[in-house]
Amino acid sequence: ETGVTQSPTHLIKTRGQQVTLRCSSQSGHNTVSWYQQALGQGPQFIFQYYREEENGRGNFPPRFSGLQFPNYSSELNVNALELDDSALYLCASREGTSSTDTQYFGPGTRLTVL
Amino acid sequence: AQSVTQLDSQVPVFEEAPVELRCNYSSSVSVYLFWYVQYPNQGLQLLLKYLSGSTLVKGINGFEAEFNKSQTSFHLRKPSVHISDTAEYFCAVTVYNTDKLIFGTGTRLQVFP
Repeated sequence: ETGVTQSPTHLIKTRGQQVTLRCSSQSGHNTVSWYQQALGQGPQFIFQYYREEENGRGNFPPRFSGLQFPNYSSELNVNALELDDSALYLCASREGTSSTDTQYFGPGTRLTVL
Repeated sequence: AQSVTQLDSQVPVFEEAPVELRCNYSSSVSVYLFWYVQYPNQGLQLLLKYLSGSTLVKGINGFEAEFNKSQTSFHLRKPSVHISDTAEYFCAVTVYNTDKLIFGTGTRLQVFP
């Protein structure tokens, strides 16, 4: 167990709706990254937050947005949901921003868009 | 740009047999390499990572991997697998001073009794 928790575990939404996923980082970790893992695929990087600022983003549209709070917990928001947004969403926390720092993953939130 | 190829989508093996999961990467710059394991309904857990130094890296649960720069490979091995090793295994790379891990599509290791 990594100490990274995510909520909810599962979620079902319909097209066009908005969703908020939450992540609680491991104690002492000030960097959080979010990944999307479609069925049968590897995780894809969405974005990263460091000390409440976005400091890196993958190839995802602006309707994917995030927040990081002073206690380093974070949220992933997705607007105007599409069927292809159905996936497992993983957050990962680490202590710093170095590429060599180990990222600790949470168990994920499985989002189904109908 | 970097990419990761895991050549085998599934690897079936009997318990106590050796196993190798293959990973090749593409990058024009030096990378750091990782192997993660994902058990059913769980997140990813780091098995091992190569940053620099010795090309043979030992990880948790008896796994090891060898970095081969000339072949741009980072294959994962275990001399004797257990039923509990049944899981999805992901190879990943990252570049110095960047933010993201780039993952392969995964290899499902199925261990049979």
